[in-house]
Amino acid sequence: TQLLEQSPQFLSIQEGENLTVYCNSSSVFSSLQWYRQEPGEGPVLLVTVVTGGEVKKLKRLTFQFGDARKDSSLHITAAQPGDTGLYLCAGGSQAGTALIFGKGTTLSVSS
Amino acid sequence: DAGITQSPRHKVTETGTPVTLRCHQTENHRYMYWYRQDPGHGLRLIHYSYGVKDTDKGEVSDGYSVSRSKTEDFLLTLESATSSQTSVYFCAISELRQGVTGELFFGEGSRLTVL
Repeated sequence: TQLLEQSPQFLSIQEGENLTVYCNSSSVFSSLQWYRQEPGEGPVLLVTVVTGGEVKKLKRLTFQFGDARKDSSLHITAAQPGDTGLYLCAGGSQAGTALIFGKGTTLSVSS
Repeated sequence: DAGITQSPRHKVTETGTPVTLRCHQTENHRYMYWYRQDPGHGLRLIHYSYGVKDTDKGEVSDGYSVSRSKTEDFLLTLESATSSQTSVYFCAISELRQGVTGELFFGEGSRLTVL
């Protein structure tokens, strides 16, 4: 059974601070996706990474896929209150199979 | 926004009663999924479908069944609801992109309470 361990589970920071969320597994994934979810809504995709070592930037968010495709990280620079939410990583293996989700990181950014 | 709707959005039922949740899409996506979301557990896969009448079990499939008779509809049935099935249920759809599972588009969720 493939598992994705996400850490930390909770993160409470001040506006302007930097943070990193980690997503780790002992399994190799063909792709890894990061989602953000707000209360009462479904998750929304932030990014997909498919190549080992790949780095993608989305404004203040930087996503990295590990060289061995077993882990990923999400780094937020100068966090803002609008970044508050639940961040989920999800790994895909064989084409067409369902994604496996980590348990999520709840981020709270206060002004 | 992807055309995906779930019904009902909220339901309260009693232990032992059958419950069916419906997911309807207008995107003609091949893959459809049912996840449940509980505090401390993230999203856990119940069942998924890779085509009409083609389904497979996920990690928490016990007590649930699914059916997909049309591309656009994916039904999740709890034959005899239990309190442990109180949860928020999300339907999602996707297609393959470059040989891997593409972006999941989620519905707004169905909150089920079993008393």
